[in-house]
Amino acid sequence: DAGVIQSPRHEVTEMGQEVTLRCKPISGHDYLFWYRQTMMRGLELLIYFNNNVPIDDSGMPEDRFSAKMPNASFSTLKIQPSEPRDSAVYFCASSTRGVETQYFGPGTRLLVL
Amino acid sequence: GENVEQHPSTLSVQEGDSAVIKCTYSDSASNYFPWYKQELGKGPQLIIDIRSNVGEKKDQRIAVTLNKTAKHFSLHITETQPEDSAVYFCAASSDTGRRALTFGSGTRLQVQP
Repeated sequence: DAGVIQSPRHEVTEMGQEVTLRCKPISGHDYLFWYRQTMMRGLELLIYFNNNVPIDDSGMPEDRFSAKMPNASFSTLKIQPSEPRDSAVYFCASSTRGVETQYFGPGTRLLVL
Repeated sequence: GENVEQHPSTLSVQEGDSAVIKCTYSDSASNYFPWYKQELGKGPQLIIDIRSNVGEKKDQRIAVTLNKTAKHFSLHITETQPEDSAVYFCAASSDTGRRALTFGSGTRLQVQP
């Protein structure tokens, strides 16, 4: 299996621009998670989906962040407008057992100038 | 909500020695405790996990112990090798409330050849 696929791997953008991060979960996995990793806050859950439905978005920092999962094989995390404090590594993970046995993607390193 | 504390933040051992990383959690309802290994530039990888109905679990050179009364759990790596060098994260979650992983702050393990 190819594992969780994320794109782009690196993104550099200017403050105010829209950023879209993409994720393809492992085939057959019905849970999808979006995390953000920073030195200050560590690994934190932003939102997760079950069967393409958002279950918990309490970790989404503010209205500038939105996530969608239009089908079982694709999800996006959008930041509009982006700010320098959004600079972080964003991970997507998937599983078949809820929070258990999550498989992480390689991450997208985002730098907002 | 859940709070997970992890110690030490850095750990340096000689190849062949053992390494122990400790975590404490605050929510007595937590019942699932995974450990993740993160290598530079990669996403976290699940290496072992334990549920609250088990006190200890072992997989080759790694083991995890859980003390529910004291609300702490530990990762033990024996016969360390240079390829064990990475950042290790503990996490906790429960089946009630927000069903999400709360991660510790990470331990950077360096195995000196």
